[in-house]
Amino acid sequence: KQEVTQIPAALSVPEGENLVLNCSFTDSAIYNLQWFRQDPGKGLTSLLLIQSSQREQTSGRLNASLDKSSGRSTLYIAASQPGDSATYLCARDTTGGGNKLTFGTGTQLKVEL
Amino acid sequence: ETGVTQSPTHLIKTRGQQVTLRCSSQSGHNTVSWYQQALGQGPQFIFQYYREEENGRGNFPPRFSGLQFPNYSSELNVNALELDDSALYLCASSLAGQGDEQFFGPGTRLTVL
Repeated sequence: KQEVTQIPAALSVPEGENLVLNCSFTDSAIYNLQWFRQDPGKGLTSLLLIQSSQREQTSGRLNASLDKSSGRSTLYIAASQPGDSATYLCARDTTGGGNKLTFGTGTQLKVEL
Repeated sequence: ETGVTQSPTHLIKTRGQQVTLRCSSQSGHNTVSWYQQALGQGPQFIFQYYREEENGRGNFPPRFSGLQFPNYSSELNVNALELDDSALYLCASSLAGQGDEQFFGPGTRLTVL
């Protein structure tokens, strides 16, 4: 069974702190891995997409890495802000680029003033 | 360029009823995927439509069915509703072969009483 696990389930940090969210998956035959943000009761906003041939992607204060051999991805958020408070989900593509994503259960982040 | 839209926003049904949810894909996208997200969980893949044909299905019973229209909009139909069908239903669109990044709609919140 292809599973995706995210640790921690919840995280609370003071504003300005750098933080790392973890995502692990059981099958190294990954096509791509995508990180999303979800605000309460809302849809998903795509943050970063890492193809299997890549090791990392960066967008502003966000950096995501992918290590296929260990089955892990990390999302690094620099200089966190209260507006970063949301649930962060990682998802891997279960097939060869078929866009049928398997999601983790998410990390609920709260950035406090 | 318009984003992914879904209707209705919220819906309340009773057990045994049938429901139809609608999704308009992002302009130019030919692939639509549907996901079910129970409270506190990550989204679960239901099925995908590519050029009006079902192109993969997750672990959902046949009472979950769908359609894709020539303009690439899509419907999700659920028959014989059960209490456990209460969830946020998300659709995502993508353009097959173009980096595979998926763009999600805001979701439809279905409550089954």
